[in-house]
Amino acid sequence: QSALTQPASVSGSPGQSITISCTGTNNGVGTYSLVSWYQQHPGRGPKLLLSEDTRRPSGISNRFSGSRSDNTASLTISALQAEDEADYFCCSYASDSIVVFGGGTKVTVL
Amino acid sequence: QVQLQESGPGLVKPSETLSLTCTVSGGSIDNSFWGWIRQPPGKRLELLGYLYYTGSSYYNPSLKSRVTVSVDRSRSQFSLKVTSVTPADTAIYYCARVGRITVAETWFDPWGQGILVTVSS
Repeated sequence: QSALTQPASVSGSPGQSITISCTGTNNGVGTYSLVSWYQQHPGRGPKLLLSEDTRRPSGISNRFSGSRSDNTASLTISALQAEDEADYFCCSYASDSIVVFGGGTKVTVL
Repeated sequence: QVQLQESGPGLVKPSETLSLTCTVSGGSIDNSFWGWIRQPPGKRLELLGYLYYTGSSYYNPSLKSRVTVSVDRSRSQFSLKVTSVTPADTAIYYCARVGRITVAETWFDPWGQGILVTVSS
């Protein structure tokens, strides 16, 4: 069964850069299945940060960027700010209209 | 700018039907796919089902027999029903516009703020 694995938590100091990984198994993140990334603050709905691994929607800061290496997609937050403290999760297509989500990564700004 | 708002009861009894509505504002419900996603406490997000504005629908195979999604274009709303609920259906339920669900790419934007539904007697 396809799955997306993320680290449970990542932390960094203001101004630093952090990277969150999203690793797919069984073609959860593979040659054809691009990943989307979301930010979620407590009590609020998720917000799309990136689609198609790297594409930022209008209005999303260029401090958020994406990359991929084989079956691992990554989200990098540069110049970390206090407002970036939130949960982040990835999403991808698995098969037969099944969509999978990562378990989420809590980002703490120290 | 499209905004979504979930509404419905926050408490449902076991074996009953969970019914939620999502109201679309700031844009048209036409020419888009719309979906329902939930997150049980401590668990990851799960897509329940989605539909095109014409009513064509798609369901998560693991829940297909219990889930129905429908649309009311005249009210700019789409709805979710989950039958025969158990405490395992306790979750925050989100509605979202489906940007893409394909082999190549999948993304949702925007999302509603979510509504907590508790299944308990």
